[in-house]
Amino acid sequence: DVVLTQSPLFLPVTLGQPASISCRSSQSLLYSDGNTYLNWFHQRPGQSPRRLFYKVSKRDSGVPDRFSGSGSGADFTLTISRVEAEDVGIYYCMQGAYWPPVTFGQGTKVEIK
Amino acid sequence: EVQLVESGGGLVQPGGSLRLSCATSGFTFSGYSMNWVRQAPGKGLEWISYISVGATTIHYADSVKGRFTISRDDAHNSLFLQMNSLRAEDTAVYYCTRDDCCLFDFWGQGTPVTVSS
Repeated sequence: DVVLTQSPLFLPVTLGQPASISCRSSQSLLYSDGNTYLNWFHQRPGQSPRRLFYKVSKRDSGVPDRFSGSGSGADFTLTISRVEAEDVGIYYCMQGAYWPPVTFGQGTKVEIK
Repeated sequence: EVQLVESGGGLVQPGGSLRLSCATSGFTFSGYSMNWVRQAPGKGLEWISYISVGATTIHYADSVKGRFTISRDDAHNSLFLQMNSLRAEDTAVYYCTRDDCCLFDFWGQGTPVTVSS
């Protein structure tokens, strides 16, 4: 199974400051069709997860442009350019290149300092 | 508006069974693959099952294989998860999710399942 390792697991952030989360895979997520199937999700407290990005950097509808997804191969990053209060919660990366099983990272909890 | 609404969760004894449902609206259900994903209390996300368009392909996580059965009713725009031989470690919130090209573009609000005596 593909293992995704996120870091840090806890990220205290200052409002208005940038933040980034790393997701490293145990193998390249570049699939034979030329796409890299790495998604990012955000889960606010008490809510369902919401997808933010698919195929590394393709932003889902309604996702603010202060969020960006980047990376390639086995090394990926989610960046928030200026953190806002509504960005708190847990962020998960997920791979859909080699499944079953679909696998998720452990999650990174973002809190405001 | 895409909507996924899970139901059927509750308290069940170890070894018991439950059938979860996911009622969908706002899209052509028969044209999408679907999944179930769960989240144990205070834990991360775990994919547990997939069903393709037309139910031609079905996958399960090893943790539920042989105990859970996924199915769909395209006439009623619904997804199901039959859960048998339930264990304490199956305690979680269960989400149904829709697949576009790239997995899990929409999620329901979840239905909680507690396995306890």
